[in-house]
Amino acid sequence: QKEVEQNSGPLSVPEGAIASLNCTYSDRGSQSFFWYRQYSGKSPELIMFIYSNGDKEDGRFTAQLNKASQYVSLLIRDSQPSDSATYLCAVNLDTGRRALTFGSGTRLQVQP
Amino acid sequence: KAGVTQTPRYLIKTRGQQVTLSCSPISGHRSVSWYQQTPGQGLQFLFEYFSETQRNKGNFPGRFSGRQFSNSRSEMNVSTLELGDSALYLCASSSFGEGNSPLHFGNGTRLTVT
Repeated sequence: QKEVEQNSGPLSVPEGAIASLNCTYSDRGSQSFFWYRQYSGKSPELIMFIYSNGDKEDGRFTAQLNKASQYVSLLIRDSQPSDSATYLCAVNLDTGRRALTFGSGTRLQVQP
Repeated sequence: KAGVTQTPRYLIKTRGQQVTLSCSPISGHRSVSWYQQTPGQGLQFLFEYFSETQRNKGNFPGRFSGRQFSNSRSEMNVSTLELGDSALYLCASSSFGEGNSPLHFGNGTRLTVT
């Protein structure tokens, strides 16, 4: 099992719809969770971070964390073609590594 | 506030050579992390520096090394380059490091080894 797992996609949604991106992680004791967006040929850009169970909203983005089930998700409301990118989940795993471990990313395509 | 600056943006090197990449963090950030990104392996952690000390290290061979200066600027060095070292090398700075605070990435250095 991968330490941080994401469906590679592509996830295709129509413009204006809600895109739901999911991420599972291997260590129950993990404390810090981050979502990054990466456009093709560019570097990752921080979208949101979440530390506590529940939802955290920032504009069109909502991060959801469920530590008991070991998953974190990102919802994008009113998806726009400009949201088309790869979304990376990053977790500070409770392995003693003391660094962010990234998933392989989910490619999102928003169809106009 | 200026972001993370990496130089150079592109490098082409030959097998067996060595290379040095440079990174200037966001002002006030004392933690600098380095990641390697390849299509097959994704983002892999190389190492993290904080106050001139290497605090954490990933699973890369000793050919990969780094250092941090008193002004928090960091360099990474790869010696005896191999074809498999071709990748995007990303530097990221953060306030506290160790995965506890958000990483802010630079634009990366794309290294091609021929």
